[in-house]
Formats: sequence, structure tokens, C-alpha cells
Amino acid sequence: NAGVTQTPKFRVLKTGQSMTLLCAQDMNHEYMYWYRQDPGMGLRLIHYSVGEGTTAKGEVPDGYNVSRLKKQNFLLGLESAAPSQTSVYFCASSYPGAVTEAFFGQGTRLTVV
Amino acid sequence: AQSVAQPEDQVNVAEGNPLTVKCTYSVSGNPYLFWYVQYPNRGLQFLLKYITGDNLVKGSYGFEAEFNKSQTSFHLKKPSALVSDSALYFCAVRDAGTDKLIFGTGTRLQVFP
Repeated sequence: NAGVTQTPKFRVLKTGQSMTLLCAQDMNHEYMYWYRQDPGMGLRLIHYSVGEGTTAKGEVPDGYNVSRLKKQNFLLGLESAAPSQTSVYFCASSYPGAVTEAFFGQGTRLTVV
Repeated sequence: AQSVAQPEDQVNVAEGNPLTVKCTYSVSGNPYLFWYVQYPNRGLQFLLKYITGDNLVKGSYGFEAEFNKSQTSFHLKKPSALVSDSALYFCAVRDAGTDKLIFGTGTRLQVFP
């Protein structure tokens, strides 16, 4: 069981470069999320999706875009990377509803220099 | 807006002693509360959740959590700590209106031999 898989695991970008983080889940989950984790700030929600073709903003969406063209994939894009986007990024997925727990990927460590 | 607070950045406990990691919540409507654990360089793993019913919820690895509506708290507990319990613990709340999953800032648990 692969669960939630994030690609890549590590990346170093120069300021102004762009990149896409890929999240894939094989559990047929409707909901998918992107979080960033920074020391002392916990996990903050960037964007999320409640179904194929839908996306919504979380707490810290600025500087990021997302797409959910297929149910199993959720892409997070950085159009012009900034040092403030240096972080560990986590993807998660869940079944619909308030009572369901989320399953997390292993994370992507991104450094912007 | 729904939120959770974890008032302690770090909790230290001796192996074999009981442990408590604190979480308080602020929600409108019914609270749907979760605890997750993160080991170094790993994603988050689900421990337990409170949806309704019994105020004492049992979860994975011997952990349990006590829901207290009057104190708006959902503290994580374990009767006898293990060194292997040392990790970062997150409390989370599900916003039933938007389906967002909102996390606290995390508490680092250190269990000393």
C-alpha cells in the first residue's frame, strides 16, 4: 500500500525559479490538502480540494497555485519561489466528512536560496 | 473560525511516568478533534479522534485522550511513557463547515530513560 506519495522529497531552488510538487494517493480519497510546516508554527493549510476539479484557499495561499485534474493527484505550484517559501511541505488526503482522519505523505523539504 | 491551541512547546517526562500533552479548542458547533504524531523526518500519523460519545477516547500505541466540553480541552495521555514515544504531537480540529483540517503548533515530547 503506497498511501500518499510526494515527489520530490528534497529540492533546492533559486529565488525566482518555479517548480511543481506532486502528490498522489491510491486510497480513492475525495479530499486532498497541502500544508507547510515551519518551526514554531505547526502545520498551516495552503490549499485544499474536496473533489476532482475543485480547489480552495487555506490559511496561507499567497505565492502558491494548485490543480486537481485527476482525483488521485494534487499538484502544488510555486511560480516564482521566494526564500520565505523555504519549508517542509506535506500533502494529505481523506474521505469526505468532518469525522474522517487524514493520511499524510512523507513530506518535501524545499530550500529557496 | 475553528482553532486549537497547544500551550506547551515541549513536555519532558521520565520513562514509566504518566504523560499529558495539552490541547484546547475553539469551535462553533460540534467539535471534531484529532491527535497526530510526527517522528523525525516522517509525515504525520493519526493517533485518535473524538467525534461524539464517550469522553475518553482510546487510540494507537497505548495513547488515550480526554475530551472535556466545559474546559474546551482535549488532552492526550498515556499511563506509562516510553522513550520511543519521543516525537512531535499535533492536535487538530475539523471545520465541519469547510472541511478544513486545522492544526495546532505542536508539542515536542521528550521521554528520558
